[in-house]
Amino acid sequence: QSALTQPASVSGSRGQSITISCTGTSSDVGPYNYVSWYQQHPGKAPKLMIYDVATRPSGVSNRFSGSKSGNTASLTISGLQADDEADYYCSSFRGSNTLVFGGGTKVTVL
Amino acid sequence: EVELLESGGGLIQPGGSLRLSCAASGFTFTNYPMSWVRQAPGKGLEWVSTISAGGINTYYGDSVKGRFTISRDNSRNTLYLQMNSLRAEDTARYFCARSIYTDDWYRGSYWGQGTLVTVSS
Repeated sequence: QSALTQPASVSGSRGQSITISCTGTSSDVGPYNYVSWYQQHPGKAPKLMIYDVATRPSGVSNRFSGSKSGNTASLTISGLQADDEADYYCSSFRGSNTLVFGGGTKVTVL
Repeated sequence: EVELLESGGGLIQPGGSLRLSCAASGFTFTNYPMSWVRQAPGKGLEWVSTISAGGINTYYGDSVKGRFTISRDNSRNTLYLQMNSLRAEDTARYFCARSIYTDDWYRGSYWGQGTLVTVSS
């Protein structure tokens, strides 16, 4: 099961906006609106930030937003803050009751 | 508050077996599908397995199919992962995860802190 494709790293200055892409195929991201995004700080458990492409769980800042176009989903972080520095992973349903993750993106706040 | 506490990890020789447990609290365990996801040291996340709320349906990633078995004891609010024929590439932190929905398990999850499994001679 090949992983979804994410950039290895993305950086931005405090206060700026950044976007992380997550590219899949017509078997996963494309046909399903079941993309999730997770934030993981070093040594910590992943935290759900976005589900169903663009829905934020209760308690997640509205600086985080998700979208999808074709086979590519995106996570945008606006008003970048120091605590946003972490690894971010996307995941997508792939049909036949399987789930696939992206390789992860390291976000650096300059 | 959802709480998931994994246990059972450790050092095991290649070819050996290990059983992981995940004690759940803070929600009605019997209502939710549960999953295991792993993360090799310094690597990304990999979905391992999912079990339906009632325990009838189970799903596995290709890399563990035929070697790992997921199960649950709803009377004990506990999820399990029986791992057999372990290989070096199974070395990872194993996270227990609860789906955010009671039906579609793949739409997002809340996770525990994980337990580390090291397969080495």
